[in-house]
Amino acid sequence: EDKVVQSPLSLVVHEGDTVTLNCSYEVTNFRSLLWYKQEKKAPTFLFMLTSSGIEKKSGRLSSILDKKELFSILNITATQTGDSAVYLCAVEASGTYKYIFGTGTRLKVLA
Amino acid sequence: GAGVSQSPRYKVTKRGQDVALRCDPISGHVSLYWYRQALGQGPEFLTYFNYEAQQDKSGLPNDRFSAERPEGSISTLTIQRTEQRDSAMYRCASSHRQGTYEQYFGPGTRLTVT
Repeated sequence: EDKVVQSPLSLVVHEGDTVTLNCSYEVTNFRSLLWYKQEKKAPTFLFMLTSSGIEKKSGRLSSILDKKELFSILNITATQTGDSAVYLCAVEASGTYKYIFGTGTRLKVLA
Repeated sequence: GAGVSQSPRYKVTKRGQDVALRCDPISGHVSLYWYRQALGQGPEFLTYFNYEAQQDKSGLPNDRFSAERPEGSISTLTIQRTEQRDSAMYRCASSHRQGTYEQYFGPGTRLTVT
């Protein structure tokens, strides 16, 4: 059965810290992985990863995929209180066009 | 429109009533997805459309749930004879095309069945 597991489930850090969020997956014929940030409203798109070893970067956020070890990480450097959110990872199973979401990592950044 | 919109944003209904939830995707987006999200969980796939064709409905919990997208734009998710366990956030997402494209989510409809 296809599965996406995120860790840690929750994390509390102080402003300025760097955090690494993990997403591991088991799907048939992997095709793509998405990262989302969810505050109180709808999930907002961060990154799409399809190839191993190629870092995607946007400001203080970056992400990379390892298709051999079946995981992705999301890094946030110099965290700010505005980074507090749930970060969701989703994996597309090939041939289905369906995305399977993990339960998310709840990040809280303290001032 | 500028983003995915959903209506109503909140719906409270009594057990046994039917409800219809509406999704208006980003203009020009071909694919439309419905998800259900319980508190503290990630979105759970329900069904998706490519244009007006329902491509996959394997996530619909039972036959009380149905969805349509008759003209390939706005979609309606209908729940018949609602039960308390149907209470959840129902989210819609759209993407430019079918395939490996990012999905953009709407604000959701919070359904409460009393």
